[in-house]
Amino acid sequence: ILNVEQSPQSLHVQEGDSTNFTCSFPSSNFYALHWYRWETAKSPEALFVMTLNGDEKKKGRISATLNTKEGYSYLYIKGSQPEDSATYLCAWSPSGSARQLTFGSGTQLTVLP
Amino acid sequence: DAGITQSPRYKITETGRQVTLMCHQTWSHSYMFWYRQDLGHGLRLIYYSAAADITDKGEVPDGYVVSRSKTENFPLTLESATRSQTSVYFCASTGGAYGYTFGSGTRLTVV
Repeated sequence: ILNVEQSPQSLHVQEGDSTNFTCSFPSSNFYALHWYRWETAKSPEALFVMTLNGDEKKKGRISATLNTKEGYSYLYIKGSQPEDSATYLCAWSPSGSARQLTFGSGTQLTVLP
Repeated sequence: DAGITQSPRYKITETGRQVTLMCHQTWSHSYMFWYRQDLGHGLRLIYYSAAADITDKGEVPDGYVVSRSKTENFPLTLESATRSQTSVYFCASTGGAYGYTFGSGTRLTVV
């Protein structure tokens, strides 16, 4: 089993702070990297799907970058708000099994008012 | 309503019983998946299906059986439930490059 690692495991920030998390994944045989947002008692929701080295995606105050050569992706949240509190999951898929995702354990973000 | 629905939302069963979790999607997505959520492991893939009548094992398939006779349905059966199968089970589907869409989950307790 090829590992997808996320750090930190959990993070507390103050409202208005900007923050970022890391996702590490196997750099060989790469097809796609996904980011999901998972609120407590709900189901994960897709944020981004990235496939190209150097890709940058943005959705409101949330953005993500991708480095497939070294096997990492960053998720950034600018000006965190309490409603951003959630677990952020990344997931990797290899070429040949493009739709079969391996998930990291997530980064649990708490934004304090 | 369009979407992906799981049933039941909550289930308590006894050790050794057979139990089936249902998953239904209305988009005609070709790919469907079953994951279980475990502390310290995140989401782990149990089984997936690329199309009707095509299924394959994921990371943790032991003790589970799936079928997919119709594109829209992908039931997961625990043949003889064990306490280690107590978990939250998520069904998901995808039709392409836009990520997975997840169901609301089934919380299963095996006593």
